[in-house]
Amino acid sequence: NAGVTQTPKFQVLKTGQSMTLQCAQDMNHNSMYWYRQDPGMGLRLIYYSASEGTTDKGEVPNGYNVSRLNKREFSLRLESAAPSQTSVYFCASSETWGGDTGELFFGEGSRLTVL
Amino acid sequence: AQKITQTQPGMFVQEKEAVTLDCTYDTSDPSYGLFWYKQPSSGEMIFLIYQGSYDQQNATEGRYSLNFQKARKSANLVISASQLGDSAMYFCAMRGYSGNTPLVFGKGTRLSVIA
Repeated sequence: NAGVTQTPKFQVLKTGQSMTLQCAQDMNHNSMYWYRQDPGMGLRLIYYSASEGTTDKGEVPNGYNVSRLNKREFSLRLESAAPSQTSVYFCASSETWGGDTGELFFGEGSRLTVL
Repeated sequence: AQKITQTQPGMFVQEKEAVTLDCTYDTSDPSYGLFWYKQPSSGEMIFLIYQGSYDQQNATEGRYSLNFQKARKSANLVISASQLGDSAMYFCAMRGYSGNTPLVFGKGTRLSVIA
């Protein structure tokens, strides 16, 4: 059972470079999310996709774009990386309705450093 | 909008003792869910326990219990018989079901269990 798989796990970028974080889930969940985790800040929502074909901004969307490629995959793109985007990024998925609690299932995280 | 407050940045507990991690929340959604996650030093997010706003009984999962006081808007996590492996970051989170809102996390509490 792979669950939620995100790649890469580690990445070092220079300021201004671009990159895409990939995320895939095999639990047939409708909803997918990208969070970032910074020391002392908890997890903050960047973007989410409540269902295939929809995306919405979260608390900290500036500097990011997302694509819900299909039901399984949800990617996060940094077009021009900045040092402030140095963080650990978590992808997660959940069921959204039908009596489910909406518990999040997380990937292992991607540690991004922007120099 | 939902908000989670965890006022204890760090806590220490003696092995085999019980410990309570505080969590207060704010929401205007009449239907919501409360979650606790554990993040060990390895970085993965581990789901611990869930409480629905309409649940009459406090949730329990093994050594974890959730002390849910709806009128006070608190959802404290109680860990009984602490073990060294309980040393980790603990995050309280909530989501609203009426508005189908994503999980919002608190800033976390770092628990250290002392032998």
